[in-house]
Amino acid sequence: GAVVSQHPSWVICKSGTSVKIECRSLDFQATTMFWYRQFPKQSLMLMATSNEGSKATYEQGVEKDKFLINHASLTLSTLTVTSAHPEDSSFYICSATNLNGYTFGSGTRLTVV
Amino acid sequence: GENVEQHPSTLSVQEGDSAVIKCTYSDSASNYFPWYKQELGKGPQLIIDIRSNVGEKKDQRIAVTLNKTAKHFSLHITETQPEDSAVYFCAAPRGGSQGNLIFGKGTKLSVKP
Repeated sequence: GAVVSQHPSWVICKSGTSVKIECRSLDFQATTMFWYRQFPKQSLMLMATSNEGSKATYEQGVEKDKFLINHASLTLSTLTVTSAHPEDSSFYICSATNLNGYTFGSGTRLTVV
Repeated sequence: GENVEQHPSTLSVQEGDSAVIKCTYSDSASNYFPWYKQELGKGPQLIIDIRSNVGEKKDQRIAVTLNKTAKHFSLHITETQPEDSAVYFCAAPRGGSQGNLIFGKGTKLSVKP
C-alpha cells in the first residue's frame, strides 16, 4: 500500500534556529501533500497545502515566511520551521493523497528549548 | 467551509463491549469519509473508510455507517479489546474528494480489561 515516510521522528532545537522536516511518498507520486500541526490533546489542524512545482497554499493565521514549504519533486515535500520559538513546539504531520485516499506520515515531535 | 463535529470526546467501555463514535459534516459535496486511529506519539492510521455510494462498510470488528441525507457517519467497534484504546478521529475532505481532510476533535477510547 501507499507509504509516506517522515523524518525526523523527533527533534530538539534551540530557540532561534531552523529545523527541516522531510516527507516522502515511497511508492507513489504525490502532486499534493498536506502539512498538519497537532498540539497535545488536540486534533490535527491543517497548516498548508504543498503543490509540486508551485507555491504552497497556507491556511489563515499560518506565517508563510516562518513555515517554509518546498515541494520540488513528486515524492518529496519539506517543511522548514525558521527561527523556531518554544511556542512552535508541536507534533507536525504530513499527508499525501493517492488514488485510494490519504496516507499520513508518522509525525515529527518538535521541541524548541 | 467544511466543518466536522465528533462525539463523544471520551468513551470508556468494558472489554468485549461495543463502542460507537459519531460524526457530522457540513459540506454536502463530501464523498469520502475516513476514520483514523492515533496512538500516543504516532501519526494517524487509517482503520476504515467509506465512500458516499454505500451506506455501510465492515472490516472484521470495525464498521462504518453513512447517512448522507443527515450528513453523519459513525464508527462501530465490536468486541472491544484493550489494544483498541487510542484516540479516534473522523474526517471529511474539504471541497469534495480532492481537498485536504478536515478532522473532528477526536474521541479518546479507553477499553478496560
